Amino acid sequence: DMKVTQMPRYLIKRMGENVLLECGQDMSHETMYWYRQDPGLGLQLIYISYDVDSNSEGDIPKGYRVSRKKREHFSLILDSAKTNQTSVYFCARGHPETLYFGSGTRLTVL
Amino acid sequence: GDSVTQTEGLVTVTEGLPVKLNCTYQTTYLTIAFFWYVQYLNEAPQVLLKSSTDNKRTEHQGFHATLHKSSSSFHLQKSSAQLSDSALYYCALSDSPGGNYKPTFGKGTSLVVHP
Repeated sequence: DMKVTQMPRYLIKRMGENVLLECGQDMSHETMYWYRQDPGLGLQLIYISYDVDSNSEGDIPKGYRVSRKKREHFSLILDSAKTNQTSVYFCARGHPETLYFGSGTRLTVL
Repeated sequence: GDSVTQTEGLVTVTEGLPVKLNCTYQTTYLTIAFFWYVQYLNEAPQVLLKSSTDNKRTEHQGFHATLHKSSSSFHLQKSSAQLSDSALYYCALSDSPGGNYKPTFGKGTSLVVHP
């Protein structure tokens, strides 16, 4: 079972607030990914994590940072959120080359 | 870097008629696998088809695709579209530069099947 757990499902924040999106999976050795999805732009890769503290920028890392202190958990952090970060965020695990996605977090930044 | 180009925007088809979604790619690495992911409304993307073998037809849920490395294509087809096929479809490839997998997605094609 390629389960990926994402929390929360919906989130509303004000501009300038910090945002923490969390993601978990139960096979510790897998690569994990954060994407954002916007209409017409598809899935855009924000960050990749290959292991604990082994993270790599994706295509649109600006304004985001990540943390992976345990192999099972991969967090996406927005320091001082901006309105243009309103989006749907998906976490995914790689098994190994096939991606399995979490249910997503719909973030609205007002 | 890698890129994936697929039929952009919206494709509409009448129920029961064939449908084809185009996908072409450019890759500079040894690409491990090619995919079609499907995303139903308010759900997460999920893998629909996967292929690593040149000129081999891959089938799932009535859809099929054949990887043609000579033309850098991996088009998705179905002979008879169903209303339940309405969804967002992504073509993708997965490379492994330096041993770590890096996926590349197209921008997605929205398929609407109408009665």
